[in-house]
Amino acid sequence: QEQLQQWGAGLLKPSETLSLTCGGYLGSFSGYSWTWLRQPPGKGLEWIGDIDHRGNTKYSPSLESRITISVDTSKNQLSLKLTSVTAADTAVYYCARLMTFGVDVFYDALDLWGQGTMVTVSS
Amino acid sequence: AIQMTQSPSSLSASVGDRITITCRASQDIRKDLAWYQQKPGRAPKLLMYATSNLQGGVPSRFSGSGSGTDFTLTISSLHPEDFATYYCLQDYDYPRTFGQGTKVEVK
Repeated sequence: QEQLQQWGAGLLKPSETLSLTCGGYLGSFSGYSWTWLRQPPGKGLEWIGDIDHRGNTKYSPSLESRITISVDTSKNQLSLKLTSVTAADTAVYYCARLMTFGVDVFYDALDLWGQGTMVTVSS
Repeated sequence: AIQMTQSPSSLSASVGDRITITCRASQDIRKDLAWYQQKPGRAPKLLMYATSNLQGGVPSRFSGSGSGTDFTLTISSLHPEDFATYYCLQDYDYPRTFGQGTKVEVK
């Protein structure tokens, strides 16, 4: 089954910038919407933000001032940048495809996921 | 932000049991809810979207119901591979919000 591939630095110091990339998608990133999520160790899932096929973004209000989600159409890759990280940003980060289902009424769901990247913030 | 309250946070069950997990939204979200299954060390997997639509390849022992503010995920007869953590996620409005998760453990 197809799975997105993620990569990026797994160990950061406080105040550094987290940078993750999601690729390996056989289709075109620009044709879909995409989501980043994270999961602190032993805790539940947290939505970080979405980017739609037009490049419009929606971000978590708690992270909005620090995050950028973008799609590089030339490389067919999705990226996440989170600035000024602290220990509270330590988590497994996931990228996922946001699929829209339905005909007359539309519903979104995350149907294709990356394997997850553990990011630890520690001095 | 819409709050999603999921219950129970954990439950113990045996193979063959019927179990039900509940998600309650803090406001009307129509049927804009999906369910995910996550096993340790793995990415979540989509089980159901639009409250009750089974994702392809998901066994029919999984079912979902509800609308508005109250939703349920039911597994009619637990299989060994169903022991996992389950999350609901509302896609009605931004920011998207998850339930806290329900861990289904072996009794």
